[in-house]
Formats: sequence, C-alpha cells, structure tokens
Amino acid sequence: GENVEQHPSTLSVQEGDSAVIKCTYSDSASNYFPWYKQELGKRPQLIIDIRSNVGEKKDQRIAVTLNKTAKHFSLHITETQPEDSAVYFCAAGYQKVTFGTGTKLQVIP
Amino acid sequence: DAGVIQSPRHEVTEMGQEVTLRCKPISGHDYLFWYRQTMMRGLELLIYFNNNVPIDDSGMPEDRFSAKMPNASFSTLKIQPSEPRDSAVYFCASSPPTSANTGELFFGEGSRLTVL
Repeated sequence: GENVEQHPSTLSVQEGDSAVIKCTYSDSASNYFPWYKQELGKRPQLIIDIRSNVGEKKDQRIAVTLNKTAKHFSLHITETQPEDSAVYFCAAGYQKVTFGTGTKLQVIP
Repeated sequence: DAGVIQSPRHEVTEMGQEVTLRCKPISGHDYLFWYRQTMMRGLELLIYFNNNVPIDDSGMPEDRFSAKMPNASFSTLKIQPSEPRDSAVYFCASSPPTSANTGELFFGEGSRLTVL
C-alpha cells in the first residue's frame, strides 16, 4: 500500500515569513495529493489539492508543487499569519488517500 | 447541508463494553470513510465504502472492529469488546462522486472515545 512521509514534524516561523512542508510517497499509482489543515480539537479541512497531471497549483498565499518522477510534493505558505498556526497533513492516493504524520506549524507574532 | 454528522461526540466507557459510533454522510456523497486519529499513529484509514458496499477494510485493526453501511445515509463503526488502546478520535468522512476517482474528504467533527 501507499506510504507517505512528511517533514518536518514541527515548524516555527516568524509572522510574515514563508513555511515549507515536504512529503514523499511510495505508490506510483497515486494520482491525487491533498493537503489538510487541522486546528486544535477540530476536524481536518482541505486547503488545497493537486492531481498528477499538474505540476504546481496556487491559491492566494498557498501553493503546492508535485514532482511525480521523484515522488515528492510540497506545501508552501507565504506571508504567514498567526491564524495559519495548526497541524498540516499531506496525503496521497487513488480512490483512498493515505495521510502523512502531520506538521505542527507555529507562526510567532 | 449540515455536513457529515457523527454521534456521539464523546464516549467514555469501560474496558470490555461495546461501543457503537454513528455517521450520517453528506447527501449525494457516494464514498464514506472511517478514520482513527491518535498521537502515536496519526490518521489511519480503517475502512471505506462506495455506494454502501465495503471496498477496503484492510485498516481495521482486528476482529473486534466492524463497520456497516445499511443505506446511503447511515453508517456505524462498532468495537466489541473495547480495550483501552482503542481510545482515539474516530472520524467519519464522505466524498462526492467524481470522474477523477478521488475527491475531497468532508470530515465530521469526530467521536472522541475513551476506554478506561
């Protein structure tokens, strides 16, 4: 089955700086790569996703890149704000997704 | 739509008792997933259904766990007998039909289970 590794496990940045979270996956059949944000005590919510026929996707301050050859994808958050503080999960799959272990992002005001 | 609805939100029970968690997916969604979240193991997929049929239950930890989806608007996850290591947050999620095979997961608020 699919195996997703995510780094780093924790990340602290100053407000206004950029944050980058990286993931690798193992199954070449995976064609869907979503990112979820989970605030403390809340449910995970989709923030952006990318499919295998696209190399990069951007939505305001959030961007995701995908390298299918190397089997890795990344989340980039620019101009970070305190409300970006949360746990971020990457995932990969086909029909079902496997989640990474999560990155706790802390944005320091 | 009210979103994915799970009950109970919190359950505290004693080891050996039966636990039933319930989920109502978003109307029109044909995929339903049960995930378990713990600090140690993260978000684990237990089982998922498509059009009420179980497709993959390879994540179900052992025979103490069972899941059913008798109709498009209701699913249950049952643990019998429960053990302290089953303590976790159990999320139900549904996903709409998509030509791309995989789509966004809409999570419920979760059921926090504590087994004493």
